[in-house]
Amino acid sequence: GAVVSQHPSWVICKSGTSVKIECRSLDFQATTMFWYRQFPKQSLMLMATSNEGSKATYEQGVEKDKFLINHASLTLSTLTVTSAHPEDSSFYICSARAGRQGISSPLHFGNGTRLTVT
Amino acid sequence: KQEVTQIPAALSVPEGENLVLNCSFTDSAIYNLQWFRQDPGKGLTSLLLIQSSQREQTSGRLNASLDKSSGRSTLYIAASQPGDSATYLCAGAYYNQGGKLIFGQGTELSVKP
Repeated sequence: GAVVSQHPSWVICKSGTSVKIECRSLDFQATTMFWYRQFPKQSLMLMATSNEGSKATYEQGVEKDKFLINHASLTLSTLTVTSAHPEDSSFYICSARAGRQGISSPLHFGNGTRLTVT
Repeated sequence: KQEVTQIPAALSVPEGENLVLNCSFTDSAIYNLQWFRQDPGKGLTSLLLIQSSQREQTSGRLNASLDKSSGRSTLYIAASQPGDSATYLCAGAYYNQGGKLIFGQGTELSVKP
């Protein structure tokens, strides 16, 4: 089946530093990837849609200068949390669609990255 | 505004029991609905995907249904096992949302041995 790999699985950083999270589709190409954020005991909230070769589309209320997204190839999207602060501590999950049926294809998720900002 | 709701937020059942998890959505113009499982601290595992033209999908002990007219989907788990304990999330994809999924809040299931 389709596999989405996310790295790192967890990271601890100091306030003010930047952290990069990678999302790779291992056995399929993904022109679109989605980045979600999840707080404890809450559901997933979409942050942005990552489009290969073009700018990401951010959801309302998400700061694009703080959460930099780069989708440089059909198998890799990165999310960089710039100047991280404790309130950015969260679980970040990426996802991508395999198959050529567009929206009809199931969405597959990475295992997530636990970010803790101290 | 499209919303997806799951009730109950938590459910505890004894092993072997059949159970139903509920998901409701506000917009009948749904393209498909997907059920996921999430273990603590982990990502999401896709369980079943139902297209808007379908009424149900089955995989092993799992059966998911979709009723667009009533705005409801159910996930039926037969003969529950302790290993089924996890949070179950439903998510809808809408025509006008470019493939984005809108998630429900999830149901935390605990199956007691």
